[in-house]
Amino acid sequence: DAKTTQPNSMESNEEEPVHLPCNHSTISGTDYIHWYRQLPSQGPEYVIHGLTSNVNNRMASLAIAEDRKSSTLILHRATLRDAAVYYCILRDNRDDKIIFGKGTRLHILP
Amino acid sequence: KAGVTQTPRYLIKTRGQQVTLSCSPISGHRSVSWYQQTPGQGLQFLFEYFSETQRNKGNFPGRFSGRQFSNSRSEMNVSTLELGDSALYLCASSRLAGQGAGELFFGEGSRLTVL
Repeated sequence: DAKTTQPNSMESNEEEPVHLPCNHSTISGTDYIHWYRQLPSQGPEYVIHGLTSNVNNRMASLAIAEDRKSSTLILHRATLRDAAVYYCILRDNRDDKIIFGKGTRLHILP
Repeated sequence: KAGVTQTPRYLIKTRGQQVTLSCSPISGHRSVSWYQQTPGQGLQFLFEYFSETQRNKGNFPGRFSGRQFSNSRSEMNVSTLELGDSALYLCASSRLAGQGAGELFFGEGSRLTVL
């Protein structure tokens, strides 16, 4: 079973921020939180990852709850090219048997 | 730098045949993992190789096997193909194994259709 739970789908308007939630209530102290996205007809691509502190990069921001049981991927200004399935996964230093959930299908409305 | 390369991109086989898929990781990456993606089951982990050794294996039957060569290139093989093996097979590479902080780089996949 997936270690994370995400909404099946979300909608957002173009040029507005998007907040994609992820619950990982059974997270362990050695689990890193990773986000990947998969555009149509492509392999998944890395978006961002973090351990405890909030993280920012050119693509997105990752906000991690203080108890680490949930996190939120933030796209600051959605474009039509951000329409994809977004996967939140946990990666452990001890075990690379990565379990993907169903992800969230993000629809961007023009 | 060149990304993860998977070959062939598309192939059609019939039931009972076998298939071999290839994955060339990014230069310098020593860990390669494989995933099966189907509409019904989503992305499922198959196995992971590091320095020619299988580190982890998912819940797939023995018909699914793989190996990694000294240059880090990896192959996966599926024998006695079944209709349910039709899927997109994805390969991902990373610099090291067991690195929770490491980024995975995925190829575009090999789409297998079994008739």
